[in-house]
Amino acid sequence: DTTVKQNPRYKLARVGKPVNLICSQTMNHDTMYWYQKKPNQAPKLLLFYYDKILNREADTFEKFQSSRPNNSFCSLYIGSAGLEYSAMYLCASSRDSAETLYFGSGTRLTVL
Amino acid sequence: TQTVSQSDAHVTVFEGDSVELRCNYSYGGSIYLSWYIQHHGRGLQFLLKYYSGNPVVQGVNGFKAEFSKSDSSFHLRKASVHWSDSAVYFCAVRNTGNYKYVFGAGTRLKVIA
Repeated sequence: DTTVKQNPRYKLARVGKPVNLICSQTMNHDTMYWYQKKPNQAPKLLLFYYDKILNREADTFEKFQSSRPNNSFCSLYIGSAGLEYSAMYLCASSRDSAETLYFGSGTRLTVL
Repeated sequence: TQTVSQSDAHVTVFEGDSVELRCNYSYGGSIYLSWYIQHHGRGLQFLLKYYSGNPVVQGVNGFKAEFSKSDSSFHLRKASVHWSDSAVYFCAVRNTGNYKYVFGAGTRLKVIA
């Protein structure tokens, strides 16, 4: 099974409220990524886990949190959603640094 | 800083035509180059990648890409497209020294049957 699963598929959130997105994979991949994708823009890397080590991008460091309680599961947490967080959030995994990325279908977050 | 440029936001061709989707990158070190495809409503799927060796790499469904160090390019080509090739195509580059994949903004390919 080479699937990455993301839940929920669609998420509606209120401004100022927290948001938690979930991703799972059963391929025993050591690296898991979160990307933000807005229309007509490139997917933007937010953060990634290599095993248990979290790496967050400098320009989004304070906006997003993540946890990886086990190899299969990774979450993306927004403490206080703003309108600018409305986007598609893509989770991906890879077996090691050289390998193909496997993407989930994404979670479309709309902040109102 | 790595950047990836896909100069064409939209490309429209007829079924059976050949197509080239352009990708240029800026990075001077050792890199991996990849192409991904995204059909409507689905996640990105891997097409092909290049690291070293033969600069022409073959992917799935008749796609191939050619690496050019002198042009800093990794253009994707297909000799005869099918309507099912209609999708958004993303070029990606990664420095061999880290885990960060940098993507282009994508090219939306529309194939008219």
